[in-house]
Amino acid sequence: DTEVTQTPKHLVMGMTNKKSLKCEQHMGHRAMYWYKQKAKKPPELMFVYSYEKLSINESVPSRFSPECPNSSLLNLHLHALQPEDSALYLCASSLQGGHNQPQHFGDGTRLSIL
Amino acid sequence: AQKITQTQPGMFVQEKEAVTLDCTYDTSDQSYGLFWYKQPSSGEMIFLIYQGSYDEQNATEGRYSLNFQKARKSANLVISASQLGDSAMYFCAMREALDRGKTSYDKVIFGPGTSLSVIP
Repeated sequence: DTEVTQTPKHLVMGMTNKKSLKCEQHMGHRAMYWYKQKAKKPPELMFVYSYEKLSINESVPSRFSPECPNSSLLNLHLHALQPEDSALYLCASSLQGGHNQPQHFGDGTRLSIL
Repeated sequence: AQKITQTQPGMFVQEKEAVTLDCTYDTSDQSYGLFWYKQPSSGEMIFLIYQGSYDEQNATEGRYSLNFQKARKSANLVISASQLGDSAMYFCAMREALDRGKTSYDKVIFGPGTSLSVIP
């Protein structure tokens, strides 16, 4: 069992739907991350939140909208996605600062766009 | 810019044998951290082991050890006594910590990964 919980585990949606991915951690971590991962590829960083503020946006299209309501929760709102957005979406968290702090990942949400 | 290279797209190892997964990195920083993650087909990304650039000893965690050669900029993962459950993708990663005023930013750069298959 991971200490970072992601829901749902699987999501199928049409291109006109609006849905949200959720991520929760109770390890007291103040940095949280969203990654997108295609099959057989490494994770690609999308967003970084530091102390509930967006600190990095890796030029992600606006159809992906992150939200950090508090230090334990991270959401990713989805709207008007494209078929190429089908992927595994991973959430991670870590202690802030220092090179020796690993990121802890959730199990991911497998997203399929019809 | 930092970069991670893993030159073995796929590896096979006999059960109970040891295997080494290669990782080289490129950075101009003096202080950095290197990580290895395991990702089974189910998708979860599992942290295995960490090596700091100033650590004099090679890191070990159970059956995992890291062969760190700083001058060569390599951080190879050694798995001893392979088990069937070790079959997975393995990613080498480097953490870049940046400070901008009062805020710290963290990015992790991943290598392309190595797919390990353990043969019974």
